[in-house]
Amino acid sequence: GQQLNQSPQSMFIQEGEDVSMNCTSSSIFNTWLWYKQDPGEGPVLLIALYKAGELTSNGRLTAQFGTTRKDSFLNISASIPSDVGIYFCAGLLGSARQLTFGSGTQLTVLP
Amino acid sequence: DTGVSQDPRHKITKRGQNVTFRCDPISEHNRLYWYRQTLGQGPEFLTYFQNEAQLEKSRLLSDRFSAERPKGSFSTLEIQRTEQGDSAMYLCASSYREYYGYTFGSGTRLTVV
Repeated sequence: GQQLNQSPQSMFIQEGEDVSMNCTSSSIFNTWLWYKQDPGEGPVLLIALYKAGELTSNGRLTAQFGTTRKDSFLNISASIPSDVGIYFCAGLLGSARQLTFGSGTQLTVLP
Repeated sequence: DTGVSQDPRHKITKRGQNVTFRCDPISEHNRLYWYRQTLGQGPEFLTYFQNEAQLEKSRLLSDRFSAERPKGSFSTLEIQRTEQGDSAMYLCASSYREYYGYTFGSGTRLTVV
């Protein structure tokens, strides 16, 4: 089962607003990844985080690896219609090679 | 870089039939992964190959599931005696090193009727 708690489950925002979503876990992860998935497609990697405390940006997206290594957040600034989709956090646990995914945040951007 | 390619994109099958999916990873990627995603959930790990060796299998991968990567390039995932609970999106991903994130394919949507 899932070990990552992702919130919120869904968000409805106005175009131009900023968005924040996060993931928490009871386990320590050594890598955090954020993906976006469009309907009928596979997830696309947005940002990868490898060190506790790391803050990384990719255009209007900013993500941080929590200092406790048990959480991460993703911010999207000045949202646009193409930001619509499902955003997933994912983590690598210890020496495991498989990613553990959160249950996703469905983002809707209203014009 | 042509991305990860999966075939078919969609498959409808009757319960009890066998199905096989194919994944072609990015050519220089030696690691290949299979995940399953059901509606409203994140992908769940099924199995992992490094080159041709299958190094990890999830407990989700029942005896009816088998995956191969015969020459360390493309991979196949076979489901025997399909059940309605097998209906899901089956995603393939590849990576050069696991700490640089995976590249996912577009998936194969399986519907068992």
